Amino acid sequence: EPEVTQTPSHQVTQMGQEVILRCVPISNHLYFYWYRQILGQKVEFLVSFYNNEISEKSEIFDDQFSVERPDGSNFTLKIRSTKLEDSAMYFCATSGQGTNTEAFFGQGTRLTVV
Amino acid sequence: GQQVMQIPQYQHVQEGEDFTTYCNSSTTLSNIQWYKQRPGGHPVFLIQLVKSGEVKKQKRLTFQFGEAKKNSSLHITATQTTDVGTYFCAGRVAGTASKLTFGTGTRLQVTL
Repeated sequence: EPEVTQTPSHQVTQMGQEVILRCVPISNHLYFYWYRQILGQKVEFLVSFYNNEISEKSEIFDDQFSVERPDGSNFTLKIRSTKLEDSAMYFCATSGQGTNTEAFFGQGTRLTVV
Repeated sequence: GQQVMQIPQYQHVQEGEDFTTYCNSSTTLSNIQWYKQRPGGHPVFLIQLVKSGEVKKQKRLTFQFGEAKKNSSLHITATQTTDVGTYFCAGRVAGTASKLTFGTGTRLQVTL
């Protein structure tokens, strides 16, 4: 069964450092998303990406965040200067035929900012 | 902004008992999806409801979408220990085509 792959599974970084989280979408999917989940809390939408540009973003997705698809396969989330409150599980999700279909989630990257 | 609340926050049942989680949105939804997240895992898609008043069944799971398309429920009949996890509803608002707003989740614990 096709799956969304995220790397790394766990990243520890010092406050103020930049991190890049990587996602390999399911091959024929066109819509990509990043969500985050603070431990024990709900899943929060960050951003959606289609046709090489951002479709929607939430208020969480401020200027510290950026997304890109640098090589046509990987989909990345960059946090420019991490803060303690950025510590969370970050999930990449993708969907195929349109936004009205199910989203397939990756296993997540646990980001710990110290 | 849009809010999606679920109740209860947590439920502990004995195996064989039924379980229901309720999802309420502050705004009308174009569709609603349900996801299950096992402890330490990632959300896994269960189902999508689109039509007002729609009811769908998957084995022991029954999903309903309210007439006003602002609420939904998931009912599990005769729970099993494999049902353990957190159940999230996630809705899309008309005009925000790609954004899924997740509910607060209901954590289900099932014991023998």
